[in-house]
Amino acid sequence: DSGVTQTPKHLITATGQRVTLRCSPRSGDLSVYWYQQSLDQGLQFLIQYYNGEERAKGNILERFSAQQFPDLHSELNLSSLELGDSALYFCASSVDDRDYQPQHFGDGTRLSIL
Amino acid sequence: AQSVAQPEDQVNVAEGNPLTVKCTYSVSGNPYLFWYVQYPNRGLQFLLKYITGDNLVKGSYGFEAEFNKSQTSFHLKKPSALVSDSALYFCAVRDIRGQLTFGSGTQLTVLP
Repeated sequence: DSGVTQTPKHLITATGQRVTLRCSPRSGDLSVYWYQQSLDQGLQFLIQYYNGEERAKGNILERFSAQQFPDLHSELNLSSLELGDSALYFCASSVDDRDYQPQHFGDGTRLSIL
Repeated sequence: AQSVAQPEDQVNVAEGNPLTVKCTYSVSGNPYLFWYVQYPNRGLQFLLKYITGDNLVKGSYGFEAEFNKSQTSFHLKKPSALVSDSALYFCAVRDIRGQLTFGSGTQLTVLP
């Protein structure tokens, strides 16, 4: 068990809808990262937050947004959903934002768009 | 931009034999390199990392990796494979902006 909790585990919704994925980092971890894993794109970094502030941005669509709250949990909001957004979304956390710190991953939220 | 290549989609090895999962990288500056393993329906688990120092890095579950700067490689190794090692393995490199770039993954199957 990595200590990173993601909810829900599965989410099924329709095109055009909006969903929110939630992540609770390991106790004491200040950095949270979001990734998307799909068969065609592989594992793609989306965004990183450190202690409530956005720290790095990757291949995140404008329809997607995230935030990290004072209690350090994070939410990833996906809107105007398209079929291609179907994927496994992972959250990871690390102690701080130093580059050599390993990231610890949750078990993901599987998003299916019908 | 940094990149990671895992040239083998699939590696099969007999239980008890040594295993190697290959990884090459391209990054500006000093590389921070990682190996992760993913079991079905689970998130990635950290195995080991190379930051600096000894080229042979030891990690979890008996795995180790050899950093080779001249060949820009970071191959994952284990002296004696177990059936339970069967999983998807990812190599990753982290740059100074904090982004972790993953390879495409290598499915390791250890045959009994």
